[in-house]
Amino acid sequence: AAGVIQSPRHLIKEKRETATLKCYPIPRHDTVYWYQQGPGQDPQFLISFYEKMQSDKGSIPDRFSAQQFSDYHSELNMSSLELGDSALYFCASSLSSKHKGAKNIQYFGAGTRLSVL
Amino acid sequence: RKEVEQDPGPFNVPEGATVAFNCTYSNSASQSFFWYRQDCRKEPKLLMSVYSSGNEDGRFTAQLNRASQYISLLIRDSKLSDSATYLCVVTSFKAAGNKLTFGGGTRVLVKP
Repeated sequence: AAGVIQSPRHLIKEKRETATLKCYPIPRHDTVYWYQQGPGQDPQFLISFYEKMQSDKGSIPDRFSAQQFSDYHSELNMSSLELGDSALYFCASSLSSKHKGAKNIQYFGAGTRLSVL
Repeated sequence: RKEVEQDPGPFNVPEGATVAFNCTYSNSASQSFFWYRQDCRKEPKLLMSVYSSGNEDGRFTAQLNRASQYISLLIRDSKLSDSATYLCVVTSFKAAGNKLTFGGGTRVLVKP
């Protein structure tokens, strides 16, 4: 079965550069989520989108922005990168419980490992 | 104080033994509960949802105590492949877009 696809898998940037992470949800899933996991930490929620509209917002820095497109894929844009942004960035997708029988369970992609030098 | 707390471990478990661990959550509005497992440097993978009545999936049994706000996971007949970090996850109910709140994870090491 198709899973959540994230690209790139690895990304190396320098301070003050920008980065764009992409996420392709499981087919038919209408909701995407972004999480950041620093070294030795648990994943922290950044932002989510349902039907292309922002649904919830967590601890996402103002330097970051995200959107969900008409084909349901999502992009996380990160500007003015800092050393502390080095982390694993996971995208997850779910089928909302507005669909009959759906349980709104989140499935994660393999992540993008971002290193800021 | 974290919203979801777990004993970080590690729990060193002989192969074939039983191991159990808990997590506690502070938000009484939490509605859905899960256990995810995460292998080193990989994505969290859903192990099982946790229901009020308790539920079992093969060698794994999960319990939820809403009154005391804790969730437990028990692994029977541990296999070497069970070595991982187990993440306790809670979320409030929304039809879509609800964030998952993770505990810090409990590390389990199953040894021959």
